[in-house]
Amino acid sequence: SQTIHQWPATLVQPVGSPLSLECTVEGTSNPNLYWYRQAAGRGLQLLFYSVGIGQISSEVPQNLSASRPQDRQFILSSKKLLLSDSGFYLCAWSVAGGPDTQYFGPGTRLTVL
Amino acid sequence: TQLLEQSPQFLSIQEGENLTVYCNSSSVFSSLQWYRQEPGEGPVLLVTVVTGGEVKKLKRLTFQFGDARKDSSLHITAAQPGDTGLYLCAGARYNFNKFYFGSGTKLNVKP
Repeated sequence: SQTIHQWPATLVQPVGSPLSLECTVEGTSNPNLYWYRQAAGRGLQLLFYSVGIGQISSEVPQNLSASRPQDRQFILSSKKLLLSDSGFYLCAWSVAGGPDTQYFGPGTRLTVL
Repeated sequence: TQLLEQSPQFLSIQEGENLTVYCNSSSVFSSLQWYRQEPGEGPVLLVTVVTGGEVKKLKRLTFQFGDARKDSSLHITAAQPGDTGLYLCAGARYNFNKFYFGSGTKLNVKP
């Protein structure tokens, strides 16, 4: 069966510091991968998605970037965090060739102070 | 403007009551998903509907996909406190590799 991991689970970082959040998927090959940010109790904002290694589509211009160095690894980064980067970050995957359903990781709670 | 409009945003009801959450759009979707999310956790998939007019049941939850594949509803019968959470709808469109999410419905079922 497929599983998706995210780490760290929680992170507290000062303004101006770098960021690296990691997401890995097991049990499937060549998945579509997604990064979302969620404000408290609200819907999901799509940040990036990837259909293959090195292929990144950015949905919202901002202080963040994404990379996919391996087939089942998706990384969300920032060189300098802003207060507004605080939030709940979710990684998700779907089957390649047709996004019928997405499956989510447990999320990372990021607090920028 | 969101592609999927979800309503209501908030719902507070007593245990035993029925409720319906709606997800509407002017666009056609190839499939539509419903998720439930607890605070501090990732959304958990409840159902995927793919055929216009399709109705799926999951215990006390009934999901319907509109005939034109532009809207969906989630109906909960005899709600229980364990149903409390954030309900999210999401749609996938043909030839697109991404999903479109509604803004969520925060449900509170009081004992």
